[in-house]
Amino acid sequence: DARVTQTPRDKVTEMGQEVTMRCQPILGHNTVFWYRQTMMQGLELLAYFRNRAPLDDSGMPKDRFSAEMPDATLATLKIQPSEPRDSAVYFCASGRDSPGDIQYFGAGTRLSVL
Amino acid sequence: GENVEQHPSTLSVQEGDSAVIKCTYSDSASNYFPWYKQELGKGPQLIIDIRSNVGEKKDQRIAVTLNKTAKHFSLHITETQPEDSAVYFCAASKGGSYIPTFGRGTSLIVHP
Repeated sequence: DARVTQTPRDKVTEMGQEVTMRCQPILGHNTVFWYRQTMMQGLELLAYFRNRAPLDDSGMPKDRFSAEMPDATLATLKIQPSEPRDSAVYFCASGRDSPGDIQYFGAGTRLSVL
Repeated sequence: GENVEQHPSTLSVQEGDSAVIKCTYSDSASNYFPWYKQELGKGPQLIIDIRSNVGEKKDQRIAVTLNKTAKHFSLHITETQPEDSAVYFCAASKGGSYIPTFGRGTSLIVHP
């Protein structure tokens, strides 16, 4: 049963620390998305990759967030330095061919910045 | 860009009743409308979708309807069960390289 794998599931850190979240997309999928979910804002798109190339990161705070795909099996989202307002659940999703099609979501990383 | 409005934000029903969640979209070029269900502690999962060349689609107790003229689409759940309790998201997309836009979500609570 293919699925998107995200690590860690939970992360508690102190303000100012670097946070790295990892995502393994489903084998054969060529689109990867990073979302942030909060009660106030709902699901916010942070970054979108197609064939490992970043195509849209307009929703991501550039000064502290960065997203990369070092290879087709790994996507990373980094926050440096982290702030309490970054506390949220971060989801990775992958899909095939185009973002206009089905997205398969991981279980998410719950981040708490103290 | 596309704007998706979803209502209601919370819906409480008794087991066995029907539940309806409605979404409107702004971009008439949108042609793909998925619905996702998010259970507690999990990521959203696709439950049903509809494309713009179809007006209605059913899958057992769930159905989705699309009105392209009015630019709205709805999720219908019949004979609700406690395990239907979750947050439901609608989304709209133009396909191709366009990224889906999600609604804010509806928290459905089914009381036994």
